Amino acid sequence: EILLTQSPGTLSVSPGERVTLSCWASQSVSSNYLAWYQQKPGQAPRLLIYGASSRATGIPDRFSGSGSGTDFTLTITRLEPEDFAVYYCHEYGSSRLTFGQGTKVEIK
Amino acid sequence: QITLKESGPTLVKPTQTLTLTCTFSGFSLSTNGVGVGWIRQPPGKALEWLALIFWDDDERYSPSLKSRLTLTKDTSKNRVVLTMTNMDRVDTATYYCAHLSSFVVRGDNPFNYWGQGTLVTVSS
Repeated sequence: EILLTQSPGTLSVSPGERVTLSCWASQSVSSNYLAWYQQKPGQAPRLLIYGASSRATGIPDRFSGSGSGTDFTLTITRLEPEDFAVYYCHEYGSSRLTFGQGTKVEIK
Repeated sequence: QITLKESGPTLVKPTQTLTLTCTFSGFSLSTNGVGVGWIRQPPGKALEWLALIFWDDDERYSPSLKSRLTLTKDTSKNRVVLTMTNMDRVDTATYYCAHLSSFVVRGDNPFNYWGQGTLVTVSS
């Protein structure tokens, strides 16, 4: 089972800033089957990025994903008020799917 | 338009068996590549994948919960049922079902549509 470690646990930022969230895998993620989700309080997760770097349908281009192997990054340029949420990385390339523990992006 | 909705008890007692139903529309679980999974989230905690069933009855389970979980699908009624035995207080969580559609290789896409979730509390 691949373990995913996200960093930092919490990020305090101001609207308009750029943020970078990290996700490290305990072993190489097959075919870069790594996704990122955004979750707001009381809501289901929303798919942002799949295949490490492809944006899901309807996701603004201020969200971008990068990385390969064991190191992955989600970048949000020009943080909007609606972007304050918890972000999870998710590995779906193995038979035992896993999620990271999440990074909370909060208003500074 | 793809939608999913979870239903089941909101309160179960310790040691009881939980049965949750995911009723969906906008896709068929008999279509090549399609899968429906279950994910849970304890209050204030992270997401945890539980189980996944594909169109061809291929089933996958979380290793840590495999002995307690069973999935069944009813393609004609567009439903997937999750049963979890021997419930404990630590199983208190919001339970989500979600859809995925494989592109080329089985499971090569993540969950892209989610239900709203249902909160299950385990308490005597």
